[in-house]
Amino acid sequence: EVQLVESGGGLVQPGGSLRLSCAASGFTFSSYWMHWVRQAPGKGLVWVSLINSDGSSTKYADSVKGRFTISRDNAKNTLYLQMNSLRAEDTAVYYCSRGAPPDYWGQGTLVTVSS
Amino acid sequence: QSALTQPASVSGSPGQSITISCTGTSSDIGTYNLVSWYQQHPGKAPKLMIYEGTKRPSGVSNRFSGSKSGNTASLTISGLQAEDEGDYYCCSYVTGSSYVFGTGTKVTVL
Repeated sequence: EVQLVESGGGLVQPGGSLRLSCAASGFTFSSYWMHWVRQAPGKGLVWVSLINSDGSSTKYADSVKGRFTISRDNAKNTLYLQMNSLRAEDTAVYYCSRGAPPDYWGQGTLVTVSS
Repeated sequence: QSALTQPASVSGSPGQSITISCTGTSSDIGTYNLVSWYQQHPGKAPKLMIYEGTKRPSGVSNRFSGSKSGNTASLTISGLQAEDEGDYYCCSYVTGSSYVFGTGTKVTVL
């Protein structure tokens, strides 16, 4: 069974940093592109970033470019999102998802940016 | 990259058919047959319903179908059922290897 479990969310002050993790199981993690997608409270889905299967290529939405870094450790079956210079508008549930297009999704982790 | 445009809400009675549109540009929907559709229930993760414009993943009811014309993709739900209520999002590949989601449509079964 495919499972994606996000962790690392929480409350952080504006300008702060946070690293999200996504633990994958039930499939060959190293064979799949992976995404981060976020959803602000009561709002729609917004694509954030993707990484190819071996980690050599990454893409970002303009709204996070230069502040967020996606990475992966295929030996640990884990996807990461390093978030720096956080803003109030980054407050959202962050989902990791598998494949292109995303097929399986985790349950999400809530990031709240507030003073 | 601007979000794809969807109607805010669509409703129908049980047994009816409804169609949700998703309008993009020549940089996404108009060029690639890589539109996917997701269903999301409150507090839950999105579920893939359609991929590559018209294909259904295993386990998804054949009441769900997808199509495309020009820069607009569509999702049709036939034989509407109470369990189909929820939010629906389209998503497209974009030139330059990124993705964009639609604004979302709330489906109500009357």
